This record gives sequence, C-alpha cells and structure tokens, in this order.
Amino acid sequence: RKEVEQDPGPFNVPEGATVAFNCTYSNSASQSFFWYRQDCRKEPKLLMSVYSSGNEDGRFTAQLNRASQYISLLIRDSKLSDSATYLCVVTPLPGGYNKLIFGAGTRLAVHP
Amino acid sequence: GAVVSQHPSRVICKSGTSVKIECRSLDFQATTMFWYRQFPKKSLMLMATSNEGSKATYEQGVEKDKFLINHASLTLSTLTVTSAHPEDSSFYICSSLPLAGEGPRETQYFGPGTRLLVL
Repeated sequence: RKEVEQDPGPFNVPEGATVAFNCTYSNSASQSFFWYRQDCRKEPKLLMSVYSSGNEDGRFTAQLNRASQYISLLIRDSKLSDSATYLCVVTPLPGGYNKLIFGAGTRLAVHP
Repeated sequence: GAVVSQHPSRVICKSGTSVKIECRSLDFQATTMFWYRQFPKKSLMLMATSNEGSKATYEQGVEKDKFLINHASLTLSTLTVTSAHPEDSSFYICSSLPLAGEGPRETQYFGPGTRLLVL
C-alpha cells in the first residue's frame, strides 16, 4: 500500500466551480500535513499546511481527519490559474528529520 | 522569499557518462538538503538526505555508489549521477531546510529542478 494515496484525476471543471481533492495516508504516526501545487515541468510549491482544526486561505480550505487518516483540499470559485497538479504531502516523523512523503498528485484542469 | 537554485536546468548526456547537479541555497544556510527524483506523471520520490559535513542518508533502493552526494558547505549540495544510463533519465529536484531561525519551521524550499536525459 502506498504511503500517501490520491485520486490521480484529472478533474476537468469550469471556471467558478468548487472542487474537492481527497488524500489518505497509511502511517498513523504522521506528524505534519501539507498541500503542494506543481505546475507542469516545475518544482512543487507549498500551497498550505493542514491542521486538525482545519484551515482556510482565501478560496482554499484544508481539512485533516487523524482518526480516518484522511486529508482534503477544497477549492472554491476555481480560476483558470488553478490548473495544476495538487500534491498531498505528509511528514512521518516529529520535528528534526522533516522527510516529506509525496502523493502522486491529482491533476486539475479548469476550463473557460 | 527563500531561493534555491539548481544547475544545470537540463542536461543531455551519453550513456556511461557522469553528470553533476548542483543545488544552492542563495539567501539562507541549510544543514540539510534533500534530493528527489520524479518520473513522468509520478510522485516525487525522496532519494537521499544530505547533511552538511557528514555522509548522506539514502532511501531504500537508492544506490549510494550510483548517486554520489556531497554537501561541503551550508549552501551547496551536489548530486552526481555516475555512469548514467537511459533509465536514469528523470527530473531531479533538491530542497533545502533552513537552519533554525532562518525560516518557518519544517518549511523546505525547492529548487527548480534539473531535467536529465541520457541517450
């Protein structure tokens, strides 16, 4: 079983739509959780960290359910510029080592 | 924001040659740098963790004699792909973890990546 699993998509949505991505992780000891965005042939860029209390940054809302080992990302009012691959990332160990485990990513295509 | 550079951005080489990729943190110091590899439509896979002044820690399945890592200073780590073969063709990305106090905790800053094509 993969350590981090995501639906690969692609998700094809019109501008203005709301889209949700899901992610599950296998290691219950995972400590930190993130969503990264990766554009084609570019490096990943941190979109937001994910906390148990949930957090929101503009049109983006992230949720973490530790009991279910499940992470979500909600994008409201999709823009063309949101088209990218969204990577679910976990850190398996507390502090120190900071090893990042990446999911394979979910591709989003927003069309006019 | 923190900037990490990689050089070269792309390289094409013949099978059997060695290729060195540099990763530099330009405006901060990093005792720890990470090297990842990404095949098309696949996730980034951590290859090794590079610690300044000590030997790198390799992930399971990554040959340390094939992928030589040197982290000689707090701002530079190099990855050398020795005797490269076509199956080594991939996107290699480094990331740097700032020293405590030089950036948000646990934030890794990624380089732009190096695309390697071995013919």
